Amino acid sequence: SQKIEQNSEALNIQEGKTATLTCNYTNYSPAYLQWYRQDPGRGPVFLLLIRENEKEKRKERLKVTFDTTLKQSLFHITASQPADSATYLCALRLDSNYQLIWGAGTKLIIKP
Amino acid sequence: GAVVSQHPSWVICKSGTSVKIECRSLDFQATTMFWYRQFPKQSLMLMATSNEGSKATYEQGVEKDKFLINHASLTLSTLTVTSAHPEDSSFYICSARGGSANTDTQYFGPGTRLTVL
Repeated sequence: SQKIEQNSEALNIQEGKTATLTCNYTNYSPAYLQWYRQDPGRGPVFLLLIRENEKEKRKERLKVTFDTTLKQSLFHITASQPADSATYLCALRLDSNYQLIWGAGTKLIIKP
Repeated sequence: GAVVSQHPSWVICKSGTSVKIECRSLDFQATTMFWYRQFPKQSLMLMATSNEGSKATYEQGVEKDKFLINHASLTLSTLTVTSAHPEDSSFYICSARGGSANTDTQYFGPGTRLTVL
């Protein structure tokens, strides 16, 4: 069966450390993968997009890797801050109608 | 750029009434809009995809007669929950794609919390 897995347990990280979140998928061949941030009671906010032919993408303190062999994406936040605390969602795009398949998200808590 | 608004941000209604939720792309033309619902601590569930001027495509299991979607212009889509019942209580989120914004990315509205008593 097809599925996307993100760690359902909250990730607790000390401020200043690097937070790493994982997105694994099975039985998909995504054209690209996106990461979003969602705060409680708010809609998701787009962070980064990485295509199937890209290994790594960076934006300020954020870095995303995409390994199509392992069927895995890693999302890193360096020099983490309490303001980075949120739920982070990964989403795969498979086909030309721009629908996204979503993971359930991982809650990240950055402790001061 | 790429701002999407939703109105209302929350609504409480009685069982049996209908509720309309508006989704607007404020600074770009949205060729495609998506409607999602999300239950607490769960993933986004796509309800339907709509392209301007055409009928919405509903996901399996979503009743099109209950969740009416209208995408009459490139900047506005509406979702009407007809004869709402308590089980329809959820967080409804729209997203939009198109225009000068990155067409590979969906830009989300802030969501609408619907509570049906």
